[in-house]
Amino acid sequence: AQSVTQLGSHVSVSEGALVLLRCNYSSSVPPYLFWYVQYPNQGLQLLLKYTSAATLVKGINGFEAEFKKSETSFHLTKPSAHMSDAAEYFCAVQRGGSQGNLIFGKGTKLSVKP
Amino acid sequence: DAMVIQNPRYQVTQFGKPVTLSCSQTLNHNVMYWYQQKSSQAPKLLFHYYDKDFNNEADTPDNFQSRRPNTSFCFLDIRSPGLGDAAMYLCATSRDPIATEAFFGQGTRLTVV
Repeated sequence: AQSVTQLGSHVSVSEGALVLLRCNYSSSVPPYLFWYVQYPNQGLQLLLKYTSAATLVKGINGFEAEFKKSETSFHLTKPSAHMSDAAEYFCAVQRGGSQGNLIFGKGTKLSVKP
Repeated sequence: DAMVIQNPRYQVTQFGKPVTLSCSQTLNHNVMYWYQQKSSQAPKLLFHYYDKDFNNEADTPDNFQSRRPNTSFCFLDIRSPGLGDAAMYLCATSRDPIATEAFFGQGTRLTVV
């Protein structure tokens, strides 16, 4: 069965600092992996996705993630945090087979200090 | 332009009084999903439709039902809301179940009083 684990329920960085949000996955088949962002009282917006093409995936708002099979990881990074990046971030793996819906991690809340 | 629209954004209902949440899409996607998200938790899939084919998650309570009268609309019915059903309900769509992006609506925040 597929699952994801997000390390750290809350991450705080200073504006301009590196953002690193960690996600490890478990999957018996090559996974499809996603990062979503959620602002308060909003739905989820896709940041980026990995679907077995390039291992380094670039997304919106300057975010990127690297798929590392040897580490079963798909960490999200951004070189320089902006105040507007403060939100909750969810890593998700797509359930295999024909029922390919998303299984989400518990989320990491990112705070950005001035 | 909004592509997945949920109405209402905020819903207050009485304990035990049936309530319906609605979702519409302009993407003509085959798959529509309903997720429940409680405070500070991950979204949890309740069920989804692949075209007209309904798929219920094993742990979704019987109190939750869904209808998809056509491609564009999907409804979530809560027959007898309890206090524990207070949550954000998210509707999402995707073109296909596999490897394609899911588009989420803004959500409906349900309060049970």
